[in-house]
Amino acid sequence: NAGVTQTPKFQVLKTGQSMTLQCAQDMNHNSMYWYRQDPGMGLRLIYYSASEGTTDKGEVPNGYNVSRLNKREFSLRLESAAPSQTSVYFCASSASGTGHNEQFFGPGTRLTVL
Amino acid sequence: GESVGLHLPTLSVQEGDNSIINCAYSNSASDYFIWYKQESGKGPQFIIDIRSNMDKRQGQRVTVLLNKTVKHLSLQIAATQPGDSAVYFCAEPIYNFNKFYFGSGTKLNVKP
Repeated sequence: NAGVTQTPKFQVLKTGQSMTLQCAQDMNHNSMYWYRQDPGMGLRLIYYSASEGTTDKGEVPNGYNVSRLNKREFSLRLESAAPSQTSVYFCASSASGTGHNEQFFGPGTRLTVL
Repeated sequence: GESVGLHLPTLSVQEGDNSIINCAYSNSASDYFIWYKQESGKGPQFIIDIRSNMDKRQGQRVTVLLNKTVKHLSLQIAATQPGDSAVYFCAEPIYNFNKFYFGSGTKLNVKP
């Protein structure tokens, strides 16, 4: 099992450009999450999907959109990138969305917005 | 290098010593906690969890202690090894689920 995979690993954008971060998991998990991690800070939840077909805002959703394409895949889109979105983005999945489960994380996407 | 870790509290220990990493939480209603380890350039990795009906839980070389009175968690690592060098986070899932709090982390440096 590959676990949680993310593409791309690195990305540099100019202000105003758009891009989609891809995430896939092969553990048949119901719930998937997108976090951002800024220097010296913990992870902050952007969006989550408790189950296929549902998505909900997390703590910092502004400037982002998500799509739960199927049970395996959960993508994060930046429509008009801003320098404040420079961060490391992690996708995660868990068996259920109750919060009482371990989350498995991908390796991250390091995004720089100039 | 990895930018995560700047400005984080840092604990330096000698290889072979025991390490204790602390975490305070704010929500007295929280009933489940997780410790994650994040190595440089990687995503967080689950270490151990504990439910609020327990005071202590042991894993392989790790022990988590929960003090609900003062809302405090600690992670104890026995016989710390160079491979334990990482940033350690405690996470507090919030049941209404639009928040999943991770602490800012503690960086553990293991000196050979």
